[in-house]
Formats: sequence, structure tokens, C-alpha cells
Amino acid sequence: GDSVTQMEGPVTLSEEAFLTINCTYTATGYPSLFWYVQYPGEGLQLLLKATKADDKGSNKGFEATYRKETTSFHLEKGSVQVSDSAVYFCALSRISGTYKYIFGTGTRLKVLA
Amino acid sequence: DTEVTQTPKHLVMGMTNKKSLKCEQHMGHRAMYWYKQKAKKPPELMFVYSYEKLSINESVPSRFSPECPNSSLLNLHLHALQPEDSALYLCASSPEGHDRDTQYFGPGTRLTVL
Repeated sequence: GDSVTQMEGPVTLSEEAFLTINCTYTATGYPSLFWYVQYPGEGLQLLLKATKADDKGSNKGFEATYRKETTSFHLEKGSVQVSDSAVYFCALSRISGTYKYIFGTGTRLKVLA
Repeated sequence: DTEVTQTPKHLVMGMTNKKSLKCEQHMGHRAMYWYKQKAKKPPELMFVYSYEKLSINESVPSRFSPECPNSSLLNLHLHALQPEDSALYLCASSPEGHDRDTQYFGPGTRLTVL
């Protein structure tokens, strides 16, 4: 079945460091791929999405490219800030009557000043 | 209005209580979802409503009873819960059209069952 695998956290970085959070997926067909961010005590916020191979999603300095050949959707940011500290979830959507999400386990990011 | 709202923000209830969670969106979305999220885990899908009809029930115990009174409102009725049901309950909605595979989440209700 479909699945999403994310790198284990927590990831601890200094402010202005480069961020990569790995995400790979297994799916039949061509799912859309998403990154969501969850700040402490809050719900999930859509960060970015990509709907087909080679699409690049971007938002707030974060980027991820839909790589079908490596079944990956790695999240990157060139210079992280303390305010980026949160849990990041990779997800894919598949149709089952309506759309269902398969979430990764989440990666906690901690950015130190 | 571009958000999903949930009330209450926090809820503490005993195992014999009956309570309800409420979710509202005014974005014209026709699919709405309930998720349960335990600490340090991803959200787990519970129910999906499409055009106010229940389309997916992920084998959720009957002590959770969803209701969709209209296209903007989604309720989750709780009765005889167990302490292990304590979690963050998230509501989400998704639009029609090219963005229909994208879900927009509310802030959640933090539920504690004593």
C-alpha cells in the first residue's frame, strides 16, 4: 500500500543553517505531495504542495521538488530561523472516494539562536 | 473567511459525560474531515464527509458520533469516552476543483478524558 517515510528527528540546527528534511514515498499512480507544519499546541498548516513530477512547491523560503525517479519530496530551506522550530509532516494524497492523506511520522525541528 | 475554526479549544470530560466538538468553515468546501492526533504522532483519519454525507468511517468506535448538519458545520459527539481517547482532535476541509486534494486544518480541540 501507499506509504510515506520521513527522516527521524529531532533535527537541531543553529539559526541561518541550511535545512533538509528527507521524505520518500511509495504509491501507485501519481499522488499529490504535501508538506505541513505544526507549531506547538496548534493544528497543521499547509506549507507547500506539488501535484506532478518535477513540480517544485515553495512558500516562506521552503522548497520541495517532486522527484518521481527517486520517489522523494525533500524539504529544504536555505537559512532557518528560530521561528521555524516546529514539527514537519510529509504527506501524499490518494483518491478513495474522496481524497485521503497518508502522513509521514513527522520530523521535529529545533532551531537554536 | 479563509479558515477552519474549532470549538472549544480545550475540553476536559469524565468518562460518563456527553460532549460535542464543533468545526466550522465558510470557504464553500464540500468535504470535511475529523482526525485524531496523539502526542508525537501524525494525525489519524477518523471520518470524512462529502456533500454532507458520511463517505469514510475508519472503523472508529461508536462512542464517537459525527454529524454534518450543513455544508459549513461538522460536529463530533462524544459519549462514554476512555482515558486513551485523550488527544488533539483536528478538523479539516477541502475545496472542489483543481485544489480538491488539499486539506485545510483547524487549530484543534485538546481533549482530556479523566
